[in-house]
Amino acid sequence: ETGVTQTPRHLVMGMTNKKSLKCEQHLGHNAMYWYKQSAKKPLELMFVYSLEERVENNSVPSRFSPECPNSSHLFLHLHTLQPEDSALYLCASSQGTGGDLISEAFFGQGTRLTVV
Amino acid sequence: GENVEQHPSTLSVQEGDSAVIKCTYSDSASNYFPWYKQELGKGPQLIIDIRSNVGEKKDQRIAVTLNKTAKHFSLHITETQPEDSAVYFCAASPSNAGKSTFGDGTTLTVKP
Repeated sequence: ETGVTQTPRHLVMGMTNKKSLKCEQHLGHNAMYWYKQSAKKPLELMFVYSLEERVENNSVPSRFSPECPNSSHLFLHLHTLQPEDSALYLCASSQGTGGDLISEAFFGQGTRLTVV
Repeated sequence: GENVEQHPSTLSVQEGDSAVIKCTYSDSASNYFPWYKQELGKGPQLIIDIRSNVGEKKDQRIAVTLNKTAKHFSLHITETQPEDSAVYFCAASPSNAGKSTFGDGTTLTVKP
């Protein structure tokens, strides 16, 4: 248990569905992240939120829409996905955003997404 | 942006032997280098990290070395055990641990 909880653990959705992934961290961190993990690219940063503001969007298609309502929760809203979006989606959190305030990133167990 | 290369992609060792995984990075501004272990069905977990003002760090059977001039860093696992079998990722970050750029991973298998 890392203090970062992701739900659901597994999700199968059709290309016309809308679903959301949820991430919750109990570590008091001020930054949260979404990563995509697939056979093609093992760990790919998608979004960064710092103090609930999105500070980075790594050219992610608009069919992925993140939301960070507070520093403990992060969502990834999914709509009209493609089969190639099937992957493990990992949430992470850390404390500090620069200088000597770097702390390790804690990852959740991920949501295994299959788009059919 | 940062580019991290990791070698080898797979590594098989006999229990008790040492394992070495090497990474190179491109951005001289990177100053934080974590190593993560990912077991099947779990997210990556930090096993050791090193900052740019340190050349070597050790934690029991695990050690990491950093050569900033050459822009490479390595993970050393001694006296390997079957439970060390997992995928290992190196990463480099200029400032924010969560914004690390990851290597492609090394699948380590320790044979009993």
